[in-house]
Amino acid sequence: GENVEQHPSTLSVQEGDSAVIKCTYSDSASNYFPWYKQELGKGPQLIIDIRSNVGEKKDQRIAVTLNKTAKHFSLHITETQPEDSAVYFCAAINAGGTSYGKLTFGQGTILTVHP
Amino acid sequence: IAGITQAPTSQILAAGRRMTLRCTQDMRHNAMYWYRQDLGLGLRLIHYSNTAGTTGKGEVPDGYSVSRANTDDFPLTLASAVPSQTSVYFCASRETGRDTEAFFGQGTRLTVV
Repeated sequence: GENVEQHPSTLSVQEGDSAVIKCTYSDSASNYFPWYKQELGKGPQLIIDIRSNVGEKKDQRIAVTLNKTAKHFSLHITETQPEDSAVYFCAAINAGGTSYGKLTFGQGTILTVHP
Repeated sequence: IAGITQAPTSQILAAGRRMTLRCTQDMRHNAMYWYRQDLGLGLRLIHYSNTAGTTGKGEVPDGYSVSRANTDDFPLTLASAVPSQTSVYFCASRETGRDTEAFFGQGTRLTVV
């Protein structure tokens, strides 16, 4: 089955700096890679995703890159703000075909943005 | 408001007792999932269901069972709770066959003493 590794486990930055979180996956059949943000006491919520036919996607201060050959993808947050402080999870899934099903998550990154 | 609802929000349970965590979604999603979240271990899949009437085992299924009698409900049962099952449990749902996001409930904080 799929295995997703996420690094770092904790990340501390100053407001205005950039933050980068990296993930690797093992199953070459995975074709959908979402990123989730979890605030304290809440369930995870999708912030951005990328399909396997795209190398990069950007949404305002958030961007995600995908390298299918190396089987890794990254989340980039620019101009960080204190409200970006949260736990971030990457995930991978084979979203189509006959083997659809399990959504596998990384271990999570606790991001702290200091004012 | 459409979404996914979990109950209870928290529970303290004596070891050896049986407990069912409830999960209901009104988005008519085919797939539903149960995860447990423990510090440093992220979200680990317990059981999943791709459609009503079918279920599958995830990464950590031992001690848990699920059923999927209809599209909306996906209860998780602990037959005989043990302290290692102390965790925060999240239910999620999504459409299968497409690259769509998973929607999560607010979680159930379970403490087994």
